[in-house]
Amino acid sequence: EVRLVQSGAEVRKPGESLKISCEGSGYSFTDSWIGWVRQTPGKGLEWMGNIYPGDADTRYSPSFQGHVTLSADKSTGTVYLQWSSLRASDSGIYYCARKTGGFHGWGQGTLVSVSS
Amino acid sequence: DIVMTQTPLSLPVTPGEPASLSCRSSQSLFDGDDGNTYLDWYLQRPGQSPQLLIYTLSHRAPGVPDRFSGSGSGTDFTLKISRVEAEDVGLYYCMQRMEFPWTFGQGTKVEIK
Repeated sequence: EVRLVQSGAEVRKPGESLKISCEGSGYSFTDSWIGWVRQTPGKGLEWMGNIYPGDADTRYSPSFQGHVTLSADKSTGTVYLQWSSLRASDSGIYYCARKTGGFHGWGQGTLVSVSS
Repeated sequence: DIVMTQTPLSLPVTPGEPASLSCRSSQSLFDGDDGNTYLDWYLQRPGQSPQLLIYTLSHRAPGVPDRFSGSGSGTDFTLKISRVEAEDVGLYYCMQRMEFPWTFGQGTKVEIK
């Protein structure tokens, strides 16, 4: 069974850093792109970017480029989404999803709350 | 960016009856190089993560009931539910993968009358 398990909810202050994770299992980790999608009440679903764990190739949405970093650890089958300096507007639910002709297989979501 | 527009925003449905959801893109999603149309449909049930229903215009994802079907061309697309069931309530999103950045529609909320 293909599974993506994400790390738990986080609470941070503006300016702080954060790294959340998404661990894949039940498939060849290095052979599928993993995407990240943010969900907020105001903007709905937003595609942030994709990473190919096999060679760490990445694609970023211009809306998020330079503000977040995607990375992958092949030894643990885990991909990461990180911020060096959070903003209040980064609050939302973050999903990882495996791309196999569309995003088929989503993590359970990680709630990120950023508030002073 | 390609803008995805879904209509209606809210759709009350009767169990056992058909339902039709629309999605329009600001640019064609047809790739003439490979003949594919890069439009996907997702359902997000209350309290759950989105799940893939239809990919590349008309291909049902594994495990998706055959009452769901996707169609359309160019910039106009439709998701049809042949006979709505109670478990079909939730938010339906279309998403384009024709060009980066990939973009979603704002969603159609399907609820039982």
